[in-house]
Amino acid sequence: DAMVIQNPRYQVTQFGKPVTLSCSQTLNHNVMYWYQQKSSQAPKLLFHYYDKDFNNEADTPDNFQSRRPNTSFCFLDIRSPGLGDAAMYLCATSRGTGPYEQYFGPGTRLTVT
Amino acid sequence: GESVGLHLPTLSVQEGDNSIINCAYSNSASDYFIWYKQESGKGPQFIIDIRSNMDKRQGQRVTVLLNKTVKHLSLQIAATQPGDSAVYFCAENTPTGGFKTIFGAGTRLFVKA
Repeated sequence: DAMVIQNPRYQVTQFGKPVTLSCSQTLNHNVMYWYQQKSSQAPKLLFHYYDKDFNNEADTPDNFQSRRPNTSFCFLDIRSPGLGDAAMYLCATSRGTGPYEQYFGPGTRLTVT
Repeated sequence: GESVGLHLPTLSVQEGDNSIINCAYSNSASDYFIWYKQESGKGPQFIIDIRSNMDKRQGQRVTVLLNKTVKHLSLQIAATQPGDSAVYFCAENTPTGGFKTIFGAGTRLFVKA
């Protein structure tokens, strides 16, 4: 039973063309995260929502935005993708931001042409 | 600490042998640690966790050891199987600036049949 679902699994976009990645969860968790992961690197946290409270990482470029319209869904918007934004984007959830494990989705592989 | 670099350390073991994967964490105030397994093309998957008031925790075929004196974490996998081949990440939950999970650089485990 899928708990964290990401769509699409593969996304190809053109340089500068806005793109939206989606994530949904069936766990009813308070926290939803977006990570960027490049080849052979650890996931890098972009931002997270605690309920409706948005928390941006200091080094996340303004090009990356997020929306969480309700508990179940969270979106990652890349306003003007550059070649350097090609990566795997991972969504994760957890009950809280403290000592709780995170549940990851399968990821969306973004290609920028 | 924060992941840097483009090349993952690699551990190669024979099927049936025990594996030990090591991790140095960055913040002495971190109070919760997690090991994740990431198979190719998938999101990270929780393996085992440990809180800072413990120095050892065992699961099915896996053991995590925590040495707070030297800020070191290890994952031991008993009787390693081909299905254990993956990248393994340690993660620390730190209370700095609000609770935050920081991923280590990762280790790639190859299991030879």
